[in-house]
Amino acid sequence: ETGVTQSPTHLIKTRGQQVTLRCSSQSGHNTVSWYQQALGQGPQFIFQYYREEENGRGNFPPRFSGLQFPNYSSELNVNALELDDSALYLCASSLVSGTDTQYFGPGTRLTVL
Amino acid sequence: DQQVKQNSPSLSVQEGRISILNCDYTNSMFDYFLWYKKYPAEGPTFLISISSIKDKNEDGRFTVFLNKSAKHLSLHIVPSQPGDSAVYFCAASARAQGAQKLVFGQGTRLTINP
Repeated sequence: ETGVTQSPTHLIKTRGQQVTLRCSSQSGHNTVSWYQQALGQGPQFIFQYYREEENGRGNFPPRFSGLQFPNYSSELNVNALELDDSALYLCASSLVSGTDTQYFGPGTRLTVL
Repeated sequence: DQQVKQNSPSLSVQEGRISILNCDYTNSMFDYFLWYKKYPAEGPTFLISISSIKDKNEDGRFTVFLNKSAKHLSLHIVPSQPGDSAVYFCAASARAQGAQKLVFGQGTRLTINP
């Protein structure tokens, strides 16, 4: 069974640029969620995708957007990067079954200069 | 508004003894609770979970207790081992707009001393 994978591992961007992060869900999982983890904090929910549609969003501005593909992989796009966007971005996959257990990938460390 | 709180940033325990990590929550709509362990440069690893209809769930050395009236849960690790040294996050599940959203605490760094 393949776990959740994310790419790239690290990324450095400058303010105002755009970035795309990628995630492959665990085999058999149809739901993908994205989280932002700032240093010293717990992960914060950005949004969730189920059947290629966004079905929930946290307190993040519209410049954070995403996609889910038919194979359940997903992208997180962030436009007009700000310094505060520097964080670890985590992708988690799950199977909507009522147990709500999400399995996380290793994350992408984004640094905005 | 911190709906899930872990008030101890760090905890140090002797190898072989019991480690107890605590978590408090404020939202009575939470119906599922989870504990994750995180090593540096890795994503959170799922440890154990509990539904709000239960008050205890056990898996090997790990036991989670839920006190709904106090809005408190705890993770017990016994016996503690050096490999348990990591940051532990509690998380609560809330269905919002149909999403399975996890709300995390700030984490507790557990250090197991030999």
